Amino acid sequence: DAGVIQSPRHEVTEMGQEVTLRCKPISGHNSLFWYRQTMMRGLELLIYFNNNVPIDDSGMPEDRFSAKMPNASFSTLKIQPSEPRDSAVYFCASSSQQGYGYTFGSGTRLTVV
Amino acid sequence: QQQVKQSPQSLIVQKGGISIINCAYENTAFDYFPWYQQFPGKGPALLIAIRPDVSEKKEGRFTISFNKSAKQFSLHIMDSQPGDSATYFCAASGHSNYQLIWGAGTKLIIKP
Repeated sequence: DAGVIQSPRHEVTEMGQEVTLRCKPISGHNSLFWYRQTMMRGLELLIYFNNNVPIDDSGMPEDRFSAKMPNASFSTLKIQPSEPRDSAVYFCASSSQQGYGYTFGSGTRLTVV
Repeated sequence: QQQVKQSPQSLIVQKGGISIINCAYENTAFDYFPWYQQFPGKGPALLIAIRPDVSEKKEGRFTISFNKSAKQFSLHIMDSQPGDSATYFCAASGHSNYQLIWGAGTKLIIKP
């Protein structure tokens, strides 16, 4: 089991550019979560998918953020246009039971300059 | 009522000592209380978890103590080692609720 795989590990982009973060959950896990981590705000849940369907996106900060899960093995988080305040570490996590036993990926460190 | 309050924010313990991190919650509907360990450059990893039907759960050097009446739970790390140096997060969730409510984290440093 390779765990939750995220790419890229690091992303540096200029303000205004589009950024796409990718996630491959653990096979068989039916829940997927996107989190953002910053020193100031800690871990913030952005969006939650269950069986590929977005259940709660109330944590998505603005319309600039969007997430998709076209199938059980792939999800993307897109920021368009990106802003410096979006700089953070973005984590994807998956679970086989809602709310229990999350497995996190290693994260994508995003820097917007 | 959805908050989980974690303390201390940072902790320095000598090698071989006991590290204790505390969390408190308000929502009595919470029924799952995990602790996660995060090393720099890595995602949080599930360390140990407890449900409110028991007062203590032990896994190796790590113990969760749970006080349902006080709505508090704590992580004890016995014989703390430099390799335990990490950030620790407590969390809580309720039955059929997908969302983990996270504490703010404790940065633990074990001095050799």
